[in-house]
Amino acid sequence: EVQLVESGGGLVQPGRSLRLSCAASGFSFRDYAMHWVRQAPGKGLEWVSGIGWNSDSIGYADSVKGRFTISRDNAKNSLYLQMNSLRVEDTALYYCAKDSPFGSGSYPDYFGYWGQGTLVTVSS
Amino acid sequence: EIVLTQSPGTLSLSPGERATLSCRASQSVSSNYLAWYQQKSGQAPRLLIYGASSRATGIPDKFSGGGSGADFTLTITRLEPEDIAVYYCQQYGSSPRTFGQGTKVEIK
Repeated sequence: EVQLVESGGGLVQPGRSLRLSCAASGFSFRDYAMHWVRQAPGKGLEWVSGIGWNSDSIGYADSVKGRFTISRDNAKNSLYLQMNSLRVEDTALYYCAKDSPFGSGSYPDYFGYWGQGTLVTVSS
Repeated sequence: EIVLTQSPGTLSLSPGERATLSCRASQSVSSNYLAWYQQKSGQAPRLLIYGASSRATGIPDKFSGGGSGADFTLTITRLEPEDIAVYYCQQYGSSPRTFGQGTKVEIK
């Protein structure tokens, strides 16, 4: 059974940093691109960032480019999102999502599996 | 950027009825790379349909996707209380990948 478990969310002041983690199990993590998708409270879904299976392909939404950095550790079956210079508008539930067999970090396909999310609140 | 507009915003139907949800793109979606997700309250999204009409693993045949080009539909037959959710479409034919704003399905 595919499982994705996010952690690392919390309350942080604007301008500060936070690092999210996603622990994956139940599938061959090293074979798939992985992504972060967020959902602001009461709002829709927004793709944030993605990384290819061997970290060769990396993509970011314009809204986070230059502030967020995605990475992965295939030996630990883990995905990360380093979020710097956080803004109030980054407040959201951040989901870790597994790509289809054909997607890449920069060009995701559909998201076959999702974690339960970790909440990031940016507020003074 | 392709903008996906879903309609209606809210759909209120009786149990057993058929629900038809629309997702219209601002331009043609390449190769009909269109997916549908179901999100129940307090839960993560779940993939229902990919490639406009292919059901994801474990999805019952009461859910079906159709359409092509810039107009797509998700049909839910025999509506049940467990189908109460917000449904999102997503295109993955062009960058950046984008989602629709969602259609909320309610039971009368």
